[in-house]
Amino acid sequence: AQSVTQPDIHITVSEGASLELRCNYSYGATPYLFWYVQSPGQGLQLLLKYFSGDTLVQGIKGFEAEFKRSQSSFNLRKPSVHWSDAAEYFCAVGFYGGSQGNLIFGKGTKLSVKP
Amino acid sequence: GAVVSQHPSWVICKSGTSVKIECRSLDFQATTMFWYRQFPKQSLMLMATSNEGSKATYEQGVEKDKFLINHASLTLSTLTVTSAHPEDSSFYICSARGLAEVGNTQYFGPGTRLTVL
Repeated sequence: AQSVTQPDIHITVSEGASLELRCNYSYGATPYLFWYVQSPGQGLQLLLKYFSGDTLVQGIKGFEAEFKRSQSSFNLRKPSVHWSDAAEYFCAVGFYGGSQGNLIFGKGTKLSVKP
Repeated sequence: GAVVSQHPSWVICKSGTSVKIECRSLDFQATTMFWYRQFPKQSLMLMATSNEGSKATYEQGVEKDKFLINHASLTLSTLTVTSAHPEDSSFYICSARGLAEVGNTQYFGPGTRLTVL
């Protein structure tokens, strides 16, 4: 069965430090890949997505993610974290041929930023 | 672009009453809308998928008679929680997928906080 794993439940980084949030998926082919961010009490905002082509994708707010087929991973990175980046981050995958276009979400990683 | 709104943003109701939540795609036509439920500090749980003009498809374990979904137009879907009880208290989020959207991209609304007393 398809699945998405975000191994880190909670990460704390200092403001200005670099960030990497991990995401691994289980699927027999290349899925559609997404990262969403959720601030407390808010909906989800799309940060970036990967369908095909260049495996390094740029998103909003200075985020990027790299698809590595050999590792079934789609890790999110940011070179310098800002206090406003503190939020919950969700990795999601969609699959080719899905009649309903459902997404499967990871359990999320909460990011805290130290001043 | 790709803005989705929800109304109301929060609602408090008495046990046994019904509550309707609206989800609108403001600047695109959404052929498919999704309804999720999110418990505190947890991920999203897909409740149902609705396509414009047809019946919603509910996920296993979701009571379709309790959570009524209507997708009457390409910009509006509604979720009605019938005879609400305290255990229905939760954060409900909708998302929408556009007519020409590639790769299952979903755009999310801001969510509705439901509290049943």
